Amino acid sequence: DTAVSQTPKYLVTQMGNDKSIKCEQNLGHDTMYWYKQDSKKFLKIMFSYNNKELIINETVPNRFSPKSPDKAHLNLHINSLELGDSAVYFCASSRSGLAGPKETQYFGPGTRLLVL
Amino acid sequence: GDSVTQMEGPVTLSEEAFLTINCTYTATGYPSLFWYVQYPGEGLQLLLKATKADDKGSNKGFEATYRKETTSFHLEKGSVQVSDSAVYFCALRVMDSNYQLIWGAGTKLIIKP
Repeated sequence: DTAVSQTPKYLVTQMGNDKSIKCEQNLGHDTMYWYKQDSKKFLKIMFSYNNKELIINETVPNRFSPKSPDKAHLNLHINSLELGDSAVYFCASSRSGLAGPKETQYFGPGTRLLVL
Repeated sequence: GDSVTQMEGPVTLSEEAFLTINCTYTATGYPSLFWYVQYPGEGLQLLLKATKADDKGSNKGFEATYRKETTSFHLEKGSVQVSDSAVYFCALRVMDSNYQLIWGAGTKLIIKP
C-alpha cells in the first residue's frame, strides 16, 4: 500500500484555470505538508497543517489554498494559474507531538504541473 | 535563522569512487539532521538521520555523522554505483520550527559507469 499518494501525477493546464491536487496518507500521521520544487530542484515549504493549526509560508500567493476534509487528506487548490506555477508539487506527512523533531517526513511521488 | 548549506552540484564521479557531499547548518536549539534522496522522477525518501551530537546515521552504504563542533553532517559513501545517481538533500528540524524541515538546496550526483 502506498503510504502517501497524490493525484494527478501530471497536470497540464492553461493559464487562468483553477485546479486541485489531491493528497492522501494512510500512515496515521497528524501533520501534512505541501512543497513546491522548482526546475533547479529547490524545495520550498508552502504549508504545514495538523488538526490544530495551519502554518502558511508567507511568500505563498493567496491563490494557493490547502483544504483538509479529514486528517488523512490535504488537498491543494490553485486559483488563476500562472506560468510561474509550473513546478513539481510534493505532499508529505509526519507525526508531531513530543517526538516532533525526530520524526521522518514521508513524501508522495509528486505532481508535475505545467501551465501553458 | 536556521539554515542548511550544501555543496553545489552537480557532482560527477566514476563508479566505485569515494563520495562526500558536504552539509553544514546553522540552528538554535538542538536539531535533528537528515539526508533525503530523490531518484529521477520520484519523490523524496529518507536516506538516513541523526538526532543528537556524535550520532552516526547509515543506510545503503551511506553514512553521515552529526558533528556539533563543526555544525556539519557530511554524507559519505565508500564506493558509489550508477544507481546512486540522484539528488541528495540535507535537512534539519528543530522544535521551534513547528516540526518543519529546513532544507538545503540539494546536490545532484551523477555516477558514470
